[in-house]
Amino acid sequence: GDSVTQMEGPVTLSEEAFLTINCTYTATGYPSLFWYVQYPGEGLQLLLKATKADDKGSNKGFEATYRKETTSFHLEKGSVQVSDSAVYFCALSDPGLRNQFYFGTGTSLTVIP
Amino acid sequence: KAGVTQTPRYLIKTRGQQVTLSCSPISGHRSVSWYQQTPGQGLQFLFEYFSETQRNKGNFPGRFSGRQFSNSRSEMNVSTLELGDSALYLCASSPMAGGNSPLHFGNGTRLTVT
Repeated sequence: GDSVTQMEGPVTLSEEAFLTINCTYTATGYPSLFWYVQYPGEGLQLLLKATKADDKGSNKGFEATYRKETTSFHLEKGSVQVSDSAVYFCALSDPGLRNQFYFGTGTSLTVIP
Repeated sequence: KAGVTQTPRYLIKTRGQQVTLSCSPISGHRSVSWYQQTPGQGLQFLFEYFSETQRNKGNFPGRFSGRQFSNSRSEMNVSTLELGDSALYLCASSPMAGGNSPLHFGNGTRLTVT
């Protein structure tokens, strides 16, 4: 079945460091891919998405490219800020599965000044 | 535009009781999904409703049920509560069915079963 594998955390970085959070997926169809972010005490917020191979999603300095050949959707940011501290979730949605999303286990990021 | 609203934010219940959680989707959104989030299992899909019909259901026991009203608001019910039901329950809405529409989440209802 469909699934998402996300790198284990927690991740601790200094401010202005480069961030990569790895995400790979398994899907039977042609999924859409998403990154969500969750701040303490809140629900998940959509960070970026890509709906087909080679699409690049970007938002707030974060980027991720849909790589079909490696079944990956790694999240990157060139220079992290303290305000980026949160839990990040990779997710896929297979249209054939009627809007059911599959989420990774989440990666906790802490950025220290 | 108002976001997804979930009520209540916090609930404390005793084993064996039942509970009802409420979700108001973003205006115009017709699909509502429910997820259970726990530290051990992460986010697990409960069910999805579209136009008052349950279209998809996750792998949860029959104690977990839901419904959607004509105004797209949704409720989720858990009967005969168990300690393991303690979790953050997240509701998410999207404008239509189909996997290309991103989910928009509420802030969740934190359920504690004692």
